[in-house]
Amino acid sequence: AQSVTQLDSQVPVFEEAPVELRCNYSSSVSVYLFWYVQYPNQGLQLLLKYLSGSTLVKGINGFEAEFNKSQTSFHLRKPSVHISDTAEYFCAVSESRSGGGADGLTFGKGTHLIIQP
Amino acid sequence: DTAVSQTPKYLVTQMGNDKSIKCEQNLGHDTMYWYKQDSKKFLKIMFSYNNKELIINETVPNRFSPKSPDKAHLNLHINSLELGDSAVYFCASSQAGHLYEQYFGPGTRLTVT
Repeated sequence: AQSVTQLDSQVPVFEEAPVELRCNYSSSVSVYLFWYVQYPNQGLQLLLKYLSGSTLVKGINGFEAEFNKSQTSFHLRKPSVHISDTAEYFCAVSESRSGGGADGLTFGKGTHLIIQP
Repeated sequence: DTAVSQTPKYLVTQMGNDKSIKCEQNLGHDTMYWYKQDSKKFLKIMFSYNNKELIINETVPNRFSPKSPDKAHLNLHINSLELGDSAVYFCASSQAGHLYEQYFGPGTRLTVT
């Protein structure tokens, strides 16, 4: 069974500083990895995804993430954060299986990013 | 145009009641999902439907039943509501297969008193 660990439940960062949100996963098969953002009282929006190919993926709003298979990690980074980045960030995984079919996402417990002025 | 919509946005009800949450997607996707987000913001898959067939049914009480009248709709019926059912319920949709991004609705906050 797959699982996702987000090591930090809350990350305070000053405005314009860089940030890294950590995500580690566990799976016995190949996986697809996602980062979602949830602004207060809203649904989830996809930031970026890793399916295959280049291990560095770029997403919306200046975010990027790097897939590291040996460390089973998919950390999210942004070089300079803004007040508007204050939100809950979720790492998610979907396992790769043959035969297609529909699979739900397994989410981490989320990291609350707090931007301080 | 709203891609995935849910109604109602807020639902307050008493224990023992039966309620439904509706979900509609206009993206032409063939798979829809229901997720539950608890008070600690932990998200967990409840169900998914692909072409009117239930694909996933996690360890969810049978008081919860998804109903899909067509590919664009997946409603969630909950019988005999309990206090522990209080949560935010999210609907999502995607094309079949995990390669595709799941699009989420705005959520329905259910409060059971």
